Amino acid sequence: GQNIDQPTEMTATEGAIVQINCTYQTSGFNGLFWYQQHAGEAPTFLSYNVLDGLEEKGRFSSFLSRSKGYSYLLLKELQMKDSASYLCAVRDTSQAGTALIFGKGTTLSVSS
Amino acid sequence: DADVTQTPRNRITKTGKRIMLECSQTKGHDRMYWYRQDPGLGLRLIYYSFDVKDINKGEISDGYSVSRQAQAKFSLSLESAIPNQTALYFCATSQGSGANVLTFGAGSRLTVL
Repeated sequence: GQNIDQPTEMTATEGAIVQINCTYQTSGFNGLFWYQQHAGEAPTFLSYNVLDGLEEKGRFSSFLSRSKGYSYLLLKELQMKDSASYLCAVRDTSQAGTALIFGKGTTLSVSS
Repeated sequence: DADVTQTPRNRITKTGKRIMLECSQTKGHDRMYWYRQDPGLGLRLIYYSFDVKDINKGEISDGYSVSRQAQAKFSLSLESAIPNQTALYFCATSQGSGANVLTFGAGSRLTVL
């Protein structure tokens, strides 16, 4: 089976740095994704990690450790518009078709 | 125009009614998916299709059926809607190569009374 855990809610202030953790247990693994979803809108792709290490893309970075079943999304210089849900998703190769399995999401609230 | 278009965007219906949610895409992707999203439960996969002749059940397919009418069209049907199918439904597409990133439609909010 598969299990993906991430915190339900987090709060932070403008200009700060926040780290959203994700742990996963899957029978097979072929990539971890982070998506951003504003309330009532579609999820949008943020990052993809398939090898261990850090991927940096502007203010957002994502890290993966396959041996630990662990990833984090790092958001720097937080802005009010970063208030959203952040979804961790894993491609589990043991599942037929290897479709993405999503965690329940972390709702981030950024205050001024 | 959106790359992935879902219709209707909002629908209120009654228990027992048949409902179809439609999805069309202009991205030329071969893979299409239907997810539902419920508060506190996240996105859960209902059905997916890797090409026109390929249909697969996801995590929560009971009570749903799908049709892949063409590469660009993938519809989701609720044969006899029930209140616990009230949710936000998302269609998504992916290319099936490389990172295989999902692109989502804007969502269809369904309320079953």
